[in-house]
Amino acid sequence: GDSVTQMEGPVTLSEEAFLTINCTYTATGYPSLFWYVQYPGEGLQLLLKATKADDKGSNKGFEATYRKETTSFHLEKGSVQVSDSAVYFCALSGPIQGAQKLVFGQGTRLTINP
Amino acid sequence: DAGVIQSPRHEVTEMGQEVTLRCKPISGHDYLFWYRQTMMRGLELLIYFNNNVPIDDSGMPEDRFSAKMPNASFSTLKIQPSEPRDSAVYFCASSLQGSGNSPLHFGNGTRLTVT
Repeated sequence: GDSVTQMEGPVTLSEEAFLTINCTYTATGYPSLFWYVQYPGEGLQLLLKATKADDKGSNKGFEATYRKETTSFHLEKGSVQVSDSAVYFCALSGPIQGAQKLVFGQGTRLTINP
Repeated sequence: DAGVIQSPRHEVTEMGQEVTLRCKPISGHDYLFWYRQTMMRGLELLIYFNNNVPIDDSGMPEDRFSAKMPNASFSTLKIQPSEPRDSAVYFCASSLQGSGNSPLHFGNGTRLTVT
């Protein structure tokens, strides 16, 4: 079935460092891809999405490009801040699972030190 | 917009007791989802509703779990009897359309501890 594999955490960086969190997927057909973020004590919230190959999703300085050839959707940010400390989830929704059912990766905990 | 509201935020109960978790989705959202989050299994979709009707409950772990949505503004997830392995954070989420077409809006979750 459809699945998402994320880079294992935790990831610890200094403020203003460059961030990459890897995400690869397995899906039949052409899924939509998402990054969700979970701040401490809160539910997940959508960070960005891409619905077709070569689309780039972006929000709050974060970017991710839908790469069909490598089945990847890596999350990047050029200069992280302490406030970016959170757990990041890559997810997909595919034609087999149905648009209503998101498949989440295991999450990557990010800590940014000042 | 108040967002998705879940209650209680924390629930501690003894094994064998009944537990009821509550959710109020965002007004106007047609879809409601119940997720469970644990360290071991991550985020699992338990069940989702469309227009108050359960569409897919294949993620409900066993008969001890049941969910209802009596109207568009309220849903419950019940565990009876509860067991220690049910300890987790339970999230309710809603969306305007199916989650692939519009974002999921999550509540802040209910942390359940079964002793």
